[in-house]
Formats: sequence, C-alpha cells, structure tokens
Amino acid sequence: DSGVTQTPKHLITATGQRVTLRCSPRSGDLSVYWYQQSLDQGLQFLIQYYNGEERAKGNILERFSAQQFPDLHSELNLSSLELGDSALYFCASSSPTGLEQFFGPGTRLTVL
Amino acid sequence: QKEVEQDPGPLSVPEGAIVSLNCTYSNSAFQYFMWYRQYSRKGPELLMYTYSSGNKEDGRFTAQVDKSSKYISLFIRDSQPSDSATYLCAMNDNYGQNFVFGPGTRLSVLP
Repeated sequence: DSGVTQTPKHLITATGQRVTLRCSPRSGDLSVYWYQQSLDQGLQFLIQYYNGEERAKGNILERFSAQQFPDLHSELNLSSLELGDSALYFCASSSPTGLEQFFGPGTRLTVL
Repeated sequence: QKEVEQDPGPLSVPEGAIVSLNCTYSNSAFQYFMWYRQYSRKGPELLMYTYSSGNKEDGRFTAQVDKSSKYISLFIRDSQPSDSATYLCAMNDNYGQNFVFGPGTRLSVLP
C-alpha cells in the first residue's frame, strides 16, 4: 500500500458526460501528479500540483482540468467525455525530493 | 520518434535467469532516470532512480545509465516468478517535474 488513495475504483459513464476523480496524497507529500494510462498510449503525464499551485502541465486536454485543495487532496475533472477517454487514471504524490513518486491504485474509467 | 522507447515484449525467461530491460530516449536534457514495476491493474511502484550516468545497485536490481548513448538499462539477477510484471522506465529534465514514461516491457518469469 503506497499511502495514496483514489476514488472511485471504477467508473462507467456515457459519452458527453462529466466525471470527477479524487486523490488523497501520502501524509506529508505536497506534490500530486495525474497520469492517464491506456493500452495504446502507455502512461501519459497530465498535470502536477504542488501545495495548491499548478507546477507542470503535460498532455492534458482542454476538456480536462484539475485542482489541489488546501487539505492537499486533488480532483481531476473530465468533461464532454469521448470513447477514447476510457483508460486508467493514476494519481501519484512525491516525496520532498520530487523523484520518488508513489502511485495510487488508479481509477478505471469506461466511457460507453 | 517517441521521446522514450522501450521494447514492449513480452519477454519470457526461466526462473533464475538474468534479465536485461532497456530504454532509449531522444531528449539529451533528461538527467533523472527511474524504473517502475507495475503489476497487472495496479499502480506503478518505484524500484530505483539514478541521476546522470553510471550504475546503481539495490539487491538483485542494477540500473545503468549511459547518457552519451541515451540508453538506460535495468538488470534483474536471479529472477523470480514474482518479478513477472511490466517494467516502465521514466525520466525527467527538471527535478520533480514533468516525468516522461516509456511504454513498458512486459516480463514473464517462468518457474
């Protein structure tokens, strides 16, 4: 158990809908990262927050947004969902060095 | 050309074999290199990280980085069936930000 929690574990929804994925980092970690993992694309970095502020942005679509709250939990919002958004979404938090990332168990999103 | 390339496998070896997993990359600015292990349907787990060129050993695992060739390797000695997983390399150029992952190599260690 990495200490990073993610909810929900599974999510099934329809095209055009909006969903929110939630992540709680390990105690004491200030950085949260979001990743998307699909079969044909591998693990893609989406966005990083550090202590409530956006720190780095990767291949995140404009339909997706994230935020980190004062209690350091983070939410990833996915809107106008398309079939191609079906994937595993992972959250990770990092130690103060920033190099050791601890991944949560992931949320499996299925868009029908 | 993708920024980080990895042979997807699957790679099947007998128990006890030495396994070599490799990644090549194109961005010469990468300085931090990591290896993750991912069991099916689980989150990736960090195995090792290294900075710049050289070797690093941790138990049965050895990580090598050759920046001149833009090539990194992970060696697993005395492989066990429990090592069966997908191995992902990752790297970044800016301490703690914007990690780029390879697509992963699926390893199967047969008893």
